[in-house]
Amino acid sequence: GEDVEQSLFLSVREGDSSVINCTYTDSSSTYLYWYKQEPGAGLQLLTYIFSNMDMKQDQRLTVLLNKKDKHLSLRIADTQTGDSAIYFCAEKESSSSASKIIFGSGTRLSIRP
Amino acid sequence: DAGVTQSPTHLIKTRGQQVTLRCSPKSGHDTVSWYQQALGQGPQFIFQYYEEEERQRGNFPDRFSGHQFPNYSSELNVNALLLGDSALYLCASSLGGEVSNQPQHFGDGTRLSIL
Repeated sequence: GEDVEQSLFLSVREGDSSVINCTYTDSSSTYLYWYKQEPGAGLQLLTYIFSNMDMKQDQRLTVLLNKKDKHLSLRIADTQTGDSAIYFCAEKESSSSASKIIFGSGTRLSIRP
Repeated sequence: DAGVTQSPTHLIKTRGQQVTLRCSPKSGHDTVSWYQQALGQGPQFIFQYYEEEERQRGNFPDRFSGHQFPNYSSELNVNALLLGDSALYLCASSLGGEVSNQPQHFGDGTRLSIL
């Protein structure tokens, strides 16, 4: 079945760029998403990319999609302490017409001063 | 513009009991999906409701059931609670039902603890 994998932890220095990577298995995925979860909160949709795009930029966020390798990345420029959170990569399942989303286990981003 | 709201925020139950969780979708949304997020894991899809019907279901037993009301709000019911049902239950809303490509927006969840 479909699977989404991410590394569990990432630590970066404040002001540096963060790059969070994700791989997925469903080559027919139509949309891929990045969600952010802060402690005790729900999921906040950060950005999403349609599968026919290679890149999407939104202020400090850049999403890169390599469909051949089924690899998705999220780059956060000028990382700030407020960016500390768990980041989830997710794909929209394509095996049915429903909008079921499959999530990775999340990458915990911590910021060093 | 209210986002997705869920109630209650926290709940403590004992094994064998039944629980009902509630969700109001974001204004303008007509589709509600429910997810279970165990500690340290990503959310797992339970089911989705559109036009007051269950449209798709994840790999969860029949103890998990739901309902959608004419105003698009939704309830998640879990019967015969097990210790393993302890989790954060997330509701997500979107527009356009199962064929829609609109992104899902999540509430802050209900933290369910089973003793």
